[in-house]
Formats: sequence, structure tokens, C-alpha cells
Amino acid sequence: EDQVTQSPEALRLQEGESSSLNCSYTVSGLRGLFWYRQDPGKGPEFLFTLYSAGEEKEKERLKATLTKKESFLHITAPKPEDSATYLCAVQAGGNTGKLIFGQGTTLQVKP
Amino acid sequence: EAGVVQSPRYKIIEKKQPVAFWCNPISGHNTLYWYLQNLGQGPELLIRYENEEAVDDSQLPKDRFSAERLKGVDSTLKIQPAELGDSAVYLCASSLGVGNEQYFGPGTRLTVT
Repeated sequence: EDQVTQSPEALRLQEGESSSLNCSYTVSGLRGLFWYRQDPGKGPEFLFTLYSAGEEKEKERLKATLTKKESFLHITAPKPEDSATYLCAVQAGGNTGKLIFGQGTTLQVKP
Repeated sequence: EAGVVQSPRYKIIEKKQPVAFWCNPISGHNTLYWYLQNLGQGPELLIRYENEEAVDDSQLPKDRFSAERLKGVDSTLKIQPAELGDSAVYLCASSLGVGNEQYFGPGTRLTVT
């Protein structure tokens, strides 16, 4: 069964304190791994897509990496505006387009 | 470029009443998705459309839920009758075909009392 597990469930950081969020997955033929950011009361906002092990992508203070079993979202010198829930999702092989989401990691960055 | 538009943003109804949600995808996006998101959980797919055809509705509770996408653009998701357990956020997303990144709307928060 395709499954995504994110850890930790919640993370509190001081402004400038770098850390990483984890996304472990089991999927029959990975077609893509997606990271989204979700603010309270809003829909998920697309951040990155990773397609193969070893791939890395960066955007401002965020960097996403991918291995055959997990993905990491590294946050460098976070700011309070980075506070949000970060969702990881995988798309299995085939033509379904279905995203299987983890439960998310809620990040709070204190000034 | 306008994003995915959903309405209403909030809806409160009594159980056994009907309710409908509307979605307008990003212009040119032929693939449209409806997701359900419970509090503290990630979204779960209900149905996917390719143009006007529902190609994956295996997770849609068909006894009370229905959806349509007339003319392959806007879509409507309906619940009749609503149950207490249907309280959740209903998200619409669209993409340029299967496999590409999906862009989400703000969602409709449904409360069934």
C-alpha cells in the first residue's frame, strides 16, 4: 500500500535556527514527490517537485532533497513568515494523477 | 494569472440538507481534482476529471456525493444528504495534465450541525 509519513508532527524554531523536515514514503513506482506549504485557512501552495533519487531543488531558504525512501525539506535561517504546515505528497506510477499526502509538519518560527 | 477559484468559502448546514461547492480551475488546465481535508490531515482525493470525463472516482462515496464538470471547465461537487461526518474542508485543484504539479484553491470549509 502506498504510504507517506512526515516527521516531526510539529516543530518550533527560533528565527535563524536551521532544521530539516522528513518525509518517508513507500510507493509502487515513484512518479514524483511534491512539497506544498499550507497556511491556516488556505489551500496548499506548490513548492517543489522531485522526480529521482539525488535530485535537489532550492527556493529562497528552502531546499528539498530526495532519496529512494525519503525526502527532506531543509530550512536555512528561517524567518517567522516561514511558519506554516508543510505537506509532502507522492504520485505513484501509472496514469492516475492521484497524490498521496502525509499528515504534514506544522512549523512555528519565533522571532 | 488567476488561481483556482472556489465558492463558497464557508458553509454551515444542518444534517440531511443538501450542499454544493463550485470550482473554477486555472485557465487551460484540463485536469481537475476534488480533495477532502480533515483537520490535521493531508488532503485525500475524491475524484479526478480529464476535461469533462471523470476518470478516477473510486474514493467518492457515490451514495451521497456527486460531481460534474460540464464543458470541461467549471466543476460542482454536491452532497445530498449531508451527514455530521462530512464536516471538513473541500479543496479543488487543477493541473496541466496528469503528473504535473497541482494548484489548489482556497477550499470550502463545511460544517454540518
